[in-house]
Amino acid sequence: DSGVTQTPKHLITATGQRVTLRCSPRSGDLSVYWYQQSLDQGLQFLIQYYNGEERAKGNILERFSAQQFPDLHSELNLSSLELGDSALYFCASSVVPLAGGSNEQFFGPGTRLTVL
Amino acid sequence: GENVEQHPSTLSVQEGDSAVIKCTYSDSASNYFPWYKQELGKGPQLIIDIRSNVGEKKDQRIAVTLNKTAKHFSLHITETQPEDSAVYFCAASLSGSARQLTFGSGTQLTVLP
Repeated sequence: DSGVTQTPKHLITATGQRVTLRCSPRSGDLSVYWYQQSLDQGLQFLIQYYNGEERAKGNILERFSAQQFPDLHSELNLSSLELGDSALYFCASSVVPLAGGSNEQFFGPGTRLTVL
Repeated sequence: GENVEQHPSTLSVQEGDSAVIKCTYSDSASNYFPWYKQELGKGPQLIIDIRSNVGEKKDQRIAVTLNKTAKHFSLHITETQPEDSAVYFCAASLSGSARQLTFGSGTQLTVLP
Protein backbone atom coordinates (compact mmCIF):
# COMPACT_ATOMS: atom_id res chain seq x y z
CA ASP A 1 0.00 0.00 0.00
CA SER A 2 1.59 3.27 -1.18
CA GLY A 3 -0.48 5.50 1.10
CA VAL A 4 -2.05 7.30 -1.88
CA THR A 5 -5.80 6.80 -2.12
CA GLN A 6 -8.03 7.28 -5.14
CA THR A 7 -11.78 7.17 -5.53
CA PRO A 8 -13.76 5.80 -7.17
CA LYS A 9 -12.06 2.60 -8.24
CA HIS A 10 -14.29 2.18 -11.27
CA LEU A 11 -16.41 4.68 -13.17
CA ILE A 12 -18.71 3.93 -16.08
CA THR A 13 -20.34 6.81 -17.87
CA ALA A 14 -21.64 7.93 -21.24
CA THR A 15 -20.14 10.15 -23.92
CA GLY A 16 -20.66 13.84 -23.30
CA GLN A 17 -20.81 13.45 -19.53
CA ARG A 18 -18.56 14.94 -16.85
CA VAL A 19 -16.83 13.07 -14.03
CA THR A 20 -14.60 13.91 -11.09
CA LEU A 21 -11.79 11.71 -9.87
CA ARG A 22 -10.41 12.19 -6.39
CA CYS A 23 -6.95 11.65 -4.94
CA SER A 24 -5.53 11.92 -1.43
CA PRO A 25 -1.73 12.05 -1.30
CA ARG A 26 0.48 10.35 1.25
CA SER A 27 0.68 12.10 4.58
CA GLY A 28 3.26 14.88 4.32
CA ASP A 29 3.44 14.92 0.52
CA LEU A 30 2.79 18.35 -0.94
CA SER A 31 2.93 17.49 -4.63
CA VAL A 32 0.31 15.60 -6.62
CA TYR A 33 0.66 14.33 -10.17
CA TRP A 34 -2.01 12.94 -12.48
CA TYR A 35 -1.20 10.35 -15.14
CA GLN A 36 -3.32 8.64 -17.77
CA GLN A 37 -2.64 5.04 -18.77
CA SER A 38 -4.15 3.75 -21.99
CA LEU A 39 -3.26 0.78 -24.15
CA ASP A 40 -2.12 2.86 -27.12
CA GLN A 41 -0.46 5.79 -25.30
CA GLY A 42 1.05 4.09 -22.26
CA LEU A 43 1.55 6.11 -19.08
CA GLN A 44 1.34 9.83 -19.83
CA PHE A 45 1.75 12.77 -17.49
CA LEU A 46 -1.24 15.11 -17.35
CA ILE A 47 -0.69 17.74 -14.69
CA GLN A 48 1.14 18.46 -11.42
CA TYR A 49 0.13 20.50 -8.40
CA TYR A 50 2.31 21.59 -5.54
CA ASN A 51 0.78 22.91 -2.34
CA GLY A 52 -2.34 24.09 -4.12
CA GLU A 53 -0.72 25.62 -7.17
CA GLU A 54 -0.37 24.23 -10.66
CA ARG A 55 3.31 23.47 -11.30
CA ALA A 56 3.51 21.67 -14.63
CA LYS A 57 1.26 20.61 -17.47
CA GLY A 58 1.70 17.71 -19.81
CA ASN A 59 -0.55 16.32 -22.52
CA ILE A 60 -3.74 17.36 -20.81
CA LEU A 61 -6.75 18.10 -22.97
CA GLU A 62 -8.61 21.38 -22.56
CA ARG A 63 -11.68 19.36 -21.56
CA PHE A 64 -9.74 18.18 -18.51
CA SER A 65 -8.93 20.27 -15.47
CA ALA A 66 -7.61 19.68 -11.98
CA GLN A 67 -7.18 21.40 -8.68
CA GLN A 68 -5.53 20.81 -5.33
CA PHE A 69 -7.35 21.86 -2.20
CA PRO A 70 -5.98 23.31 1.07
CA ASP A 71 -6.08 19.84 2.67
CA LEU A 72 -3.85 18.74 -0.28
CA HIS A 73 -6.31 16.33 -1.83
CA SER A 74 -6.71 16.76 -5.56
CA GLU A 75 -9.51 16.32 -8.05
CA LEU A 76 -9.29 15.69 -11.77
CA ASN A 77 -12.34 16.84 -13.72
CA LEU A 78 -13.03 15.31 -17.11
CA SER A 79 -15.81 16.84 -19.20
CA SER A 80 -17.46 16.28 -22.59
CA LEU A 81 -16.21 12.72 -22.37
CA GLU A 82 -15.36 10.80 -25.50
CA LEU A 83 -14.86 7.09 -26.07
CA GLY A 84 -11.12 7.68 -26.32
CA ASP A 85 -11.00 9.00 -22.76
CA SER A 86 -11.53 5.48 -21.47
CA ALA A 87 -8.35 4.70 -19.54
CA LEU A 88 -6.81 4.21 -16.13
CA TYR A 89 -6.14 7.46 -14.32
CA PHE A 90 -3.44 7.44 -11.68
CA CYS A 91 -2.54 9.93 -9.06
CA ALA A 92 0.96 10.03 -7.59
CA SER A 93 2.41 12.07 -4.78
CA SER A 94 5.87 13.12 -3.71
CA VAL A 95 7.36 15.03 -0.84
CA VAL A 96 8.72 18.27 -2.22
CA PRO A 97 9.62 18.93 -5.85
CA LEU A 98 12.34 21.42 -5.09
CA ALA A 99 15.82 21.16 -6.52
CA GLY A 100 17.84 18.61 -4.63
CA GLY A 101 14.80 17.08 -2.98
CA SER A 102 13.44 13.60 -3.39
CA ASN A 103 11.99 12.72 -6.79
CA GLU A 104 10.26 9.59 -5.57
CA GLN A 105 6.66 9.42 -6.68
CA PHE A 106 4.22 6.98 -5.12
CA PHE A 107 1.20 5.93 -7.12
CA GLY A 108 -2.33 5.26 -6.03
CA PRO A 109 -4.36 2.25 -7.18
CA GLY A 110 -5.99 4.23 -10.00
CA THR A 111 -9.49 4.89 -11.28
CA ARG A 112 -10.65 2.89 -14.27
CA LEU A 113 -12.86 5.11 -16.44
CA THR A 114 -15.06 3.52 -19.07
CA VAL A 115 -16.91 5.81 -21.45
CA LEU A 116 -19.74 4.11 -23.34
CA GLY B 1 10.60 17.10 -24.51
CA GLU B 2 12.00 13.92 -23.04
CA ASN B 3 11.50 10.63 -24.88
CA VAL B 4 12.13 7.25 -23.25
CA GLU B 5 12.36 4.04 -25.24
CA GLN B 6 12.15 0.64 -23.55
CA HIS B 7 13.06 -2.84 -24.80
CA PRO B 8 11.98 -5.58 -25.01
CA SER B 9 8.22 -5.23 -24.88
CA THR B 10 7.86 -8.84 -23.69
CA LEU B 11 10.34 -11.09 -21.93
CA SER B 12 9.96 -14.69 -20.80
CA VAL B 13 12.54 -16.34 -18.58
CA GLN B 14 12.79 -19.56 -16.62
CA GLU B 15 12.55 -19.35 -12.87
CA GLY B 16 16.01 -18.77 -11.43
CA ASP B 17 17.37 -17.10 -14.57
CA SER B 18 18.20 -13.41 -14.89
CA ALA B 19 16.15 -10.77 -16.70
CA VAL B 20 17.43 -7.55 -18.22
CA ILE B 21 15.31 -4.63 -19.42
CA LYS B 22 16.89 -1.68 -21.21
CA CYS B 23 15.86 1.94 -21.65
CA THR B 24 17.28 4.93 -23.49
CA TYR B 25 16.42 8.56 -22.92
CA SER B 26 16.83 11.61 -25.11
CA ASP B 27 17.30 14.59 -22.80
CA SER B 28 20.78 14.81 -21.30
CA ALA B 29 19.37 17.08 -18.55
CA SER B 30 17.41 14.16 -17.04
CA ASN B 31 18.94 13.13 -13.75
CA TYR B 32 16.54 10.74 -12.05
CA PHE B 33 15.62 7.28 -13.36
CA PRO B 34 13.10 5.16 -11.46
CA TRP B 35 11.77 1.71 -12.26
CA TYR B 36 8.20 0.70 -11.52
CA LYS B 37 6.54 -2.68 -11.31
CA GLN B 38 2.85 -2.87 -12.17
CA GLU B 39 0.79 -5.92 -11.35
CA LEU B 40 -2.58 -6.53 -12.92
CA GLY B 41 -5.23 -4.20 -11.52
CA LYS B 42 -2.77 -2.21 -9.42
CA GLY B 43 -0.90 1.06 -9.62
CA PRO B 44 2.81 1.25 -10.50
CA GLN B 45 5.05 0.41 -7.55
CA LEU B 46 8.48 2.01 -7.25
CA ILE B 47 11.05 -0.80 -6.97
CA ILE B 48 14.38 0.96 -7.44
CA ASP B 49 15.73 4.27 -8.70
CA ILE B 50 19.05 5.83 -9.61
CA ARG B 51 20.31 9.36 -9.86
CA SER B 52 22.73 10.61 -12.48
CA ASN B 53 25.63 10.95 -10.06
CA VAL B 54 25.60 7.18 -9.51
CA GLY B 55 26.49 4.48 -12.04
CA GLU B 56 24.95 1.47 -10.34
CA LYS B 57 22.60 0.68 -7.50
CA LYS B 58 21.61 -2.67 -6.08
CA ASP B 59 18.83 -3.83 -3.79
CA GLN B 60 18.88 -7.57 -3.11
CA ARG B 61 17.98 -9.29 -6.42
CA ILE B 62 17.39 -6.04 -8.28
CA ALA B 63 20.04 -3.73 -9.74
CA VAL B 64 20.00 -0.72 -12.02
CA THR B 65 22.89 0.60 -14.09
CA LEU B 66 23.17 3.99 -15.73
CA ASN B 67 25.40 5.11 -18.59
CA LYS B 68 25.03 8.89 -18.84
CA THR B 69 27.28 9.19 -21.86
CA ALA B 70 25.20 6.77 -23.89
CA LYS B 71 21.96 7.91 -22.24
CA HIS B 72 20.78 4.49 -21.33
CA PHE B 73 19.93 2.61 -18.18
CA SER B 74 19.01 -0.97 -17.42
CA LEU B 75 17.17 -3.06 -14.86
CA HIS B 76 18.65 -6.39 -13.86
CA ILE B 77 16.68 -8.98 -11.91
CA THR B 78 18.60 -12.05 -10.76
CA GLU B 79 17.26 -15.38 -9.52
CA THR B 80 13.83 -14.58 -10.91
CA GLN B 81 10.74 -15.95 -9.19
CA PRO B 82 7.16 -16.36 -10.47
CA GLU B 83 6.08 -13.40 -8.33
CA ASP B 84 8.41 -11.20 -10.39
CA SER B 85 5.97 -11.61 -13.30
CA ALA B 86 4.49 -8.16 -14.01
CA VAL B 87 4.85 -5.17 -16.31
CA TYR B 88 7.96 -3.12 -15.64
CA PHE B 89 8.27 0.54 -16.60
CA CYS B 90 11.34 2.71 -16.72
CA ALA B 91 11.04 6.47 -16.44
CA ALA B 92 13.13 9.61 -16.57
CA SER B 93 12.76 12.93 -14.87
CA LEU B 94 14.33 16.36 -15.19
CA SER B 95 15.59 18.28 -12.20
CA GLY B 96 13.88 21.38 -10.91
CA SER B 97 10.51 22.06 -9.38
CA ALA B 98 8.56 20.22 -12.07
CA ARG B 99 9.39 16.57 -11.61
CA GLN B 100 6.94 14.81 -13.91
CA LEU B 101 8.03 11.38 -15.09
CA THR B 102 8.31 10.38 -18.73
CA PHE B 103 7.70 6.65 -18.97
CA GLY B 104 8.90 3.97 -21.31
CA SER B 105 6.32 1.77 -23.00
CA GLY B 106 6.69 -1.10 -20.53
CA THR B 107 7.99 -4.68 -20.53
CA GLN B 108 5.75 -7.63 -19.76
CA LEU B 109 7.99 -10.03 -17.81
CA THR B 110 6.83 -13.61 -17.44
CA VAL B 111 8.77 -15.96 -15.18
CA LEU B 112 8.03 -19.56 -16.07
CA PRO B 113 8.08 -22.07 -13.18
